[in-house]
Amino acid sequence: DAGVTQSPTHLIKTRGQQVTLRCSPKSGHDTVSWYQQALGQGPQFIFQYYEEEERQRGNFPDRFSGHQFPNYSSELNVNALLLGDSALYLCASSLGRGLGDTQYFGPGTRLTVL
Amino acid sequence: AQTVTQSQPEMSVQEAETVTLSCTYDTSESDYYLFWYKQPPSRQMILVIRQEAYKQQNATENRFSVNFQKAAKSFSLKISDSQLGDAAMYFCASTYNQGGKLIFGQGTELSVKP
Repeated sequence: DAGVTQSPTHLIKTRGQQVTLRCSPKSGHDTVSWYQQALGQGPQFIFQYYEEEERQRGNFPDRFSGHQFPNYSSELNVNALLLGDSALYLCASSLGRGLGDTQYFGPGTRLTVL
Repeated sequence: AQTVTQSQPEMSVQEAETVTLSCTYDTSESDYYLFWYKQPPSRQMILVIRQEAYKQQNATENRFSVNFQKAAKSFSLKISDSQLGDAAMYFCASTYNQGGKLIFGQGTELSVKP
């Protein structure tokens, strides 16, 4: 049973560029959430996708957008990259959007913006 | 705003000994879940234990147990018989609404001495 997978593992971009990160949820899971984890900090919620729609959003600008495909996989897009976007981006999946539904995390994508 | 606070940036324990990591939270909601996640150097966030606010009994998972003090809004993690593989960042987290958006604390880095 494959867990949550993310690609790529590492990514280096320059300011102003755009980036796309990808996530495949754990088998059977239909909900995908994205988190940003700056160095030395706890993860911060970006947004959540369910049934191909954004259902919740954290305090992130519109430069951050996403998509969910019919097979439940998801993409996170960041436009006009800033130095402050350098972070570990974590994807988490769950079965449903219930209050106590456990979220399973992928290994993350390390984004460096130069 | 809902918050989660971990006041111990670093903790250290001798192998085979017991250590307790502290976490406090703030919410006005009546139903919520609390979690402890472990993040080893490999970066993958792993669920250690979860607790539903309505349940009086403290959750346990093998060597891991929690002390849930609802009135004090405290949720500490006790690790018994510490092992070298327990060395990691530990994050306390909570969810307060449908959708399961996780709110994380700042983390506690645990080192285990042989």
